[in-house]
Formats: sequence, structure tokens, C-alpha cells
Amino acid sequence: AQKVTQAQTEISVVEKEDVTLDCVYETRDTTYYLFWYKQPPSGELVFLIRRNSFDEQNEISGRYSWNFQKSTSSFNFTITASQVVDSAVYFCAPGSCQAGTALIFGKGTTLSVSS
Amino acid sequence: DTAVSQTPKYLVTQMGNDKSIKCEQNLGHDTMYWYKQDSKKFLKIMFSYNNKELIINETVPNRFSPKSPDKAHLNLHINSLELGDSAVYFCASSQGAGQGHGYTFGSGTRLTVV
Repeated sequence: AQKVTQAQTEISVVEKEDVTLDCVYETRDTTYYLFWYKQPPSGELVFLIRRNSFDEQNEISGRYSWNFQKSTSSFNFTITASQVVDSAVYFCAPGSCQAGTALIFGKGTTLSVSS
Repeated sequence: DTAVSQTPKYLVTQMGNDKSIKCEQNLGHDTMYWYKQDSKKFLKIMFSYNNKELIINETVPNRFSPKSPDKAHLNLHINSLELGDSAVYFCASSQGAGQGHGYTFGSGTRLTVV
């Protein structure tokens, strides 16, 4: 079974600061997936990224970047030049390829960006 | 067109009542899920159906009964509601019974039991 730890419960930054959200996972699967979701104050859950365990390349999408380190079982998320609209709860979730499983979400990190 | 739609969005009801939440997806996915999000934002899997067959049934009181009439619909019926059932319930869908494709979530149903 997967487990995930998001050690940072809350982070507060000022606009334009860079911020990194940590995610450490546990899995016994040799092939697995890793996800980040965003939950803004409006409440919906928004998909941000999916990463296959075979692909350790870092990914950048605009101000967002993800650092996947299989050796340390971490999948950290960095927001560059944060904006107030980035204020949200961010969830990391490892996923199995096996049928009969479900995404196991971390407890989330609440990011507050002030102007 | 909304991909995963849940109704109602808000539900306020008294203890002891029975209520249902409906979920429909138009993505052609074959797996659907119910998650419960508590006041601390913790998301917990409750149930999952793949092609109308129950494949995940977590430790949930048997007052909660899911029903999937077809693979595009997954409803959640709750009997004898209790104060502790107050939460946001999210429906989600995915393609395939594993997690490779991630989920598309509905917008959530905020249930308040008074």
C-alpha cells in the first residue's frame, strides 16, 4: 500500500517569493505514478501533474516545476515567483497500477501567498 | 459540458435523516470513486466501482451504500445521518482500475448534518 507524507502543514510567503512543497512517499510497487492536485479556496480539486516512476526527468510548466528523486522517494513541487492566486491546499498522491487500488492523498500543504 | 457532475452541491439535513448524493461522468471512464474530505482537508477513499462492480470498500459504516446503475453513474446513499457525517464528499472518475491516468473530480457536495 502507498503512503505519503507532506510534512509542511502550512506555508506563508509574500508574492514573488519562490516556495517548495515537499512530498515523500512510500510504495512497494516497482511501477507507480505520482500526482499533485491543487484545491483553491473555491473547493474544487484540480489536477496539476502526473509522473510515471520510470521518468525521473524534472518537469517545468510555467512557474511550476517538479523534482522527482526516486532515490529519496520524493516528489517536490516548486512555485517560482508566487502569486496570490497560488493560495490553495496542495495534495501529493502516489498511485498504483494495480486494479482495486485508489489514490492515497497526503494531508495537504496549505499555501498562503500575501501581496 | 461538465465532465464529472455531482448533485446537490450543498446539503443541509437533520440527524437521523436519509439522503443521497448523485454523480455522473461524461468522460467515458470505467471507474468511479467516492472520497470524503473532513474539516482538516484530509481526503479518504470510501468506495470505488469499475464497470458497475464494487472494487474498493474501505472501512465505512454500513449506513453508507453506494450504487452504480451504469458505468457513468455512481450514487451514494446515507442512512440515519449523524453529526460526524458532515464533510465534503467528492466523486471522481478515471480510465482503468489502476491509477495510471489520475482522476477527474466533481466539484464536491458539502453535507452538513444538524
